[in-house]
Amino acid sequence: GAGVSQTPSNKVTEKGKYVELRCDPISGHTALYWYRQSLGQGPEFLIYFQGTGAADDSGLPNDRFFAVRPEGSVSTLKIQRTERGDSAVYLCASSPSLAGVGEQYFGPGTRLTVT
Amino acid sequence: GNSVTQMEGPVTLSEEAFLTINCTYTATGYPSLFWYVQYPGEGLQLLLKATKADDKGSNKGFEATYRKETTSFHLEKGSVQVSDSAVYFCALNLQGAQKLVFGQGTRLTINP
Repeated sequence: GAGVSQTPSNKVTEKGKYVELRCDPISGHTALYWYRQSLGQGPEFLIYFQGTGAADDSGLPNDRFFAVRPEGSVSTLKIQRTERGDSAVYLCASSPSLAGVGEQYFGPGTRLTVT
Repeated sequence: GNSVTQMEGPVTLSEEAFLTINCTYTATGYPSLFWYVQYPGEGLQLLLKATKADDKGSNKGFEATYRKETTSFHLEKGSVQVSDSAVYFCALNLQGAQKLVFGQGTRLTINP
């Protein structure tokens, strides 16, 4: 079946602009996660949704970052007033409600470059 | 805080060599431990896991044992193949939390 998909695969934007990154989870998966991966580092947790609600947003670095999942499926990560330090690969993952602990299915990521 | 430290890469081996990638962790409470793998051009995927001390996770010839006394979860494989070339990430998940905490990753290259 189809895996987690993310669009766009690459995004280049200028400092100060607003960007939206989209994640389509595996159909039927109730949990959705966003991570950020800087060059040479492991993924860092940003936010976790269970259904439509953000159950844990403790990883969002500041109030320029916001994510939504209005219908409990597709999610959008929104970044306002982008900064060069926001350049990274943004990963989305999903898991079914009855998945074993830690079993998350990752998408290919969106590479964001802020110039 | 909670963290994972992996051996620095890159690691380059010949086919059929023995592989060890070291992973140690710091955590409050009793985490579950994981190895994720990222093959070229693909997304991260779960390779194996262990949820309590002394458990051994295994998959595709890879093994790792949860060692509470040394806070370690080293990845091993007896005979690597070219197709094992990838980036390997050690990770933990705290009881009651959903997020994964990852190490920095180790790039493995296997030469024929």
